[in-house]
Amino acid sequence: EDKVVQSPLSLVVHEGDTVTLNCSYEVTNFRSLLWYKQEKKAPTFLFMLTSSGIEKKSGRLSSILDKKELFSILNITATQTGDSAVYLCAVVVSGNTPLVFGKGTRLSVIA
Amino acid sequence: KAGVTQTPRYLIKTRGQQVTLSCSPISGHRSVSWYQQTPGQGLQFLFEYFSETQRNKGNFPGRFSGRQFSNSRSEMNVSTLELGDSALYLCASSSGDRVTDTQYFGPGTRLTVL
Repeated sequence: EDKVVQSPLSLVVHEGDTVTLNCSYEVTNFRSLLWYKQEKKAPTFLFMLTSSGIEKKSGRLSSILDKKELFSILNITATQTGDSAVYLCAVVVSGNTPLVFGKGTRLSVIA
Repeated sequence: KAGVTQTPRYLIKTRGQQVTLSCSPISGHRSVSWYQQTPGQGLQFLFEYFSETQRNKGNFPGRFSGRQFSNSRSEMNVSTLELGDSALYLCASSSGDRVTDTQYFGPGTRLTVL
């Protein structure tokens, strides 16, 4: 059975800290890995990763994929209170199978 | 380009009733997926429609059903509502191309069953 595990489940940091969120997966026929940020409503798309070792970056957020060790990390530098959210990781597998989501990491950034 | 829209945004029903939720995907997207999200459970996949056909189905009882129209709009129906059906129902659209697929989510419909 395809599985995506995120860690930690929750995290509390102070503004200005750097955080690393983890996503490991065990799936057959991996295609790509997606990161989403979910605040109070719908998840919003952050990154799509398909190749190992190539960092995707958007402002203070960056992410990288390791297809050999089957994991991805999402880094957030100089965290702000607006970064408080649940961060979801999902894996796309080939064939007509649905995305496999992890349970998410709840990040709380306190001033 | 308009994003994914879902209606209604909030809904309160009582046990035993039925409900229909609607989702309009991003223009040009042919795939619509539905998810149920409850506290502590994460996103649970309900089903996916592509070109008016159900392409995938999650592990939900038959009370949960859906359909997709020729304009790619999709509806989800839940019959004989139970208290445990209270959740945020999210719809996501994508091109349907499995190689470059990225799903974009709508704002969700929050269903409360009393």
